[in-house]
Amino acid sequence: GENVEQHPSTLSVQEGDSAVIKCTYSDSASNYFPWYKQELGKRPQLIIDIRSNVGEKKDQRIAVTLNKTAKHFSLHITETQPEDSAVYFCAASRGNKLVFGAGTILRVKS
Amino acid sequence: AAGVIQSPRHLIKEKRETATLKCYPIPRHDTVYWYQQGPGQDPQFLISFYEKMQSDKGSIPDRFSAQQFSDYHSELNMSSLELGDSALYFCASSEGGWGHEQFFGPGTRLTVL
Repeated sequence: GENVEQHPSTLSVQEGDSAVIKCTYSDSASNYFPWYKQELGKRPQLIIDIRSNVGEKKDQRIAVTLNKTAKHFSLHITETQPEDSAVYFCAASRGNKLVFGAGTILRVKS
Repeated sequence: AAGVIQSPRHLIKEKRETATLKCYPIPRHDTVYWYQQGPGQDPQFLISFYEKMQSDKGSIPDRFSAQQFSDYHSELNMSSLELGDSALYFCASSEGGWGHEQFFGPGTRLTVL
């Protein structure tokens, strides 16, 4: 089955700096890669996603890149703000189920 | 905009009791997913339904069962509860299955004493 690894597990950045979170997946048939942001005790919320026929996608301060050959994808957040502090999960999907990475705790220090 | 509704939001049960969690998907969404999230862990996929039929199965214990009804709402039935079942249970829905954005509900926090 699919296995998703996510790094780093924690990330502290200064407000205004960039943050990068990386994930690798094992199933070459996976074709949908969403990123979720989750605040403590709340629901995961989709912040950006990418499909396997696209190499990069950007939405304001957030971008995701996908390298199908290497089976890895990354989340880039620029100009970080304190409200970006949360746990971020990557996920990979082939079919209906999402397989999540272990999560990255992002702390943005002001 | 309407979101996924889950009930109850909090549930406290004793060991060996049963629990039923309910999920009401976003209108026109035909696919429902259930996830279990332990403290400090990532969500683990349990089971999904598309058009009232089970479409995929993950790490759902045999003590658990689920179904999707004709109005597309879903129920997760949990029997012989164990301490380790204490977790946040999320339901998500999407319009269509494969590769469609999954919208998560607020979750049900189950505590087993």
